[in-house]
Amino acid sequence: KAGVTQTPRYLIKTRGQQVTLSCSPISGHRSVSWYQQTPGQGLQFLFEYFSETQRNKGNFPGRFSGRQFSNSRSEMNVSTLELGDSALYLCASIRDGETPEAFFGQGTRLTVV
Amino acid sequence: DAKTTQPPSMDCAEGRAANLPCNHSTISGNEYVYWYRQIHSQGPQYIIHGLKNNETNEMASLIITEDRKSSTLILPHATLRDTAVYYCIVRPYSGNTGKLIFGQGTTLQVKP
Repeated sequence: KAGVTQTPRYLIKTRGQQVTLSCSPISGHRSVSWYQQTPGQGLQFLFEYFSETQRNKGNFPGRFSGRQFSNSRSEMNVSTLELGDSALYLCASIRDGETPEAFFGQGTRLTVV
Repeated sequence: DAKTTQPPSMDCAEGRAANLPCNHSTISGNEYVYWYRQIHSQGPQYIIHGLKNNETNEMASLIITEDRKSSTLILPHATLRDTAVYYCIVRPYSGNTGKLIFGQGTTLQVKP
């Protein structure tokens, strides 16, 4: 079956711009979570969406937002980009069940210049 | 903050067993231990998880101490392709949750 698809894979933006990243989860999965990975901070949880509702949120400024559509696809948006937003953004598709399992996409590499 | 502590790096000879330790002394009774690994610049990959019994799958074995305060991931015959960052995570048994709190992990270097 198809895995988690993140688009685009690479992106270069200028400070002050905004960016939208997309994630298509595995078919049948209703939960999607987003992570930011930087060399200094490691993997940090951004937010999680389940059935179009934000269920959990990490400790990030309001410039970071997301949403989920009825087909479970999710987008995250970062407004007023800063140099420090340069990172690998990872999306995880969560399999429901007694012991949930996360399947990660390959990520979107965002570079802010 | 992460609820686990791992050594920052380890080496292992190819073909030998790799034993990666993890301390989770504050683990709660309703929390599982999960292991993921991340090969350079790829998304993390699920390896194994357990509650209190030892577990084994095609990738690895997980040994959890009786008091559940620590665990060891065992890769029985490490190969060069097992070189990666290994993350030990505790997460609650609460149905559906995608919130994983990653620590710094252990960088495993498998050497020929």
